[in-house]
Amino acid sequence: AQSVSQHNHHVILSEAASLELGCNYSYGGTVNLFWYVQYPGQHLQLLLKYFSGDPLVKGIKGFEAEFIKSKFSFNLRKPSVQWSDTAEYFCAVTAYSGSARQLTFGSGTQLTVLP
Amino acid sequence: EAGVTQSPTHLIKTRGQQATLRCSPISGHTSVYWYQQALGLGLQFLLWYDEGEERNRGNFPPRFSGRQFPNYSSELNVNALELEDSALYLCASSPGSNQPQHFGDGTRLSIL
Repeated sequence: AQSVSQHNHHVILSEAASLELGCNYSYGGTVNLFWYVQYPGQHLQLLLKYFSGDPLVKGIKGFEAEFIKSKFSFNLRKPSVQWSDTAEYFCAVTAYSGSARQLTFGSGTQLTVLP
Repeated sequence: EAGVTQSPTHLIKTRGQQATLRCSPISGHTSVYWYQQALGLGLQFLLWYDEGEERNRGNFPPRFSGRQFPNYSSELNVNALELEDSALYLCASSPGSNQPQHFGDGTRLSIL
């Protein structure tokens, strides 16, 4: 069974600081990888996804993530965070083939950006 | 384009009762997924429906069940409610089984 680990439960940064949130998954086969974000009072939104091709994926709002297959990692990065980036971030994985299409989520990382 | 809609927003029940949660997917989406977001347990997969059929279910007891209707909307039913069923239940939809999922706002189920 696949599993996802997010190492940081709560990250606090000042505006303009750089961000990197760690995500590791365990699954032996080909995977699709996602980062979702949940802003306060809003529903989960897709930030970016990796299906295949260039392992450096760019998403909305200046976020990017790099898929490193050898490390089973899909870390989220942003060069300069803003106060509006305060939210909870979830890494998720789904198997590329077979019957398991559901997302397996990490436990989430709460990001607080101080103005 | 309307997003995934869930109803009710909040549902309060007592132990032993039954709860029905509803989800309308984005127009054109045929796959519907249900997740439970319980405090301290994160987001856990419950059920996946595609084209009216249950395709997969997570590690939950049989009293969690559901169905998908011909218009692709879905119901989640929870029988014999227990206190630990208190959680936010999220519905997601996708246009196909291997496409990004779009989430609704959830139904918060509170068991007294």
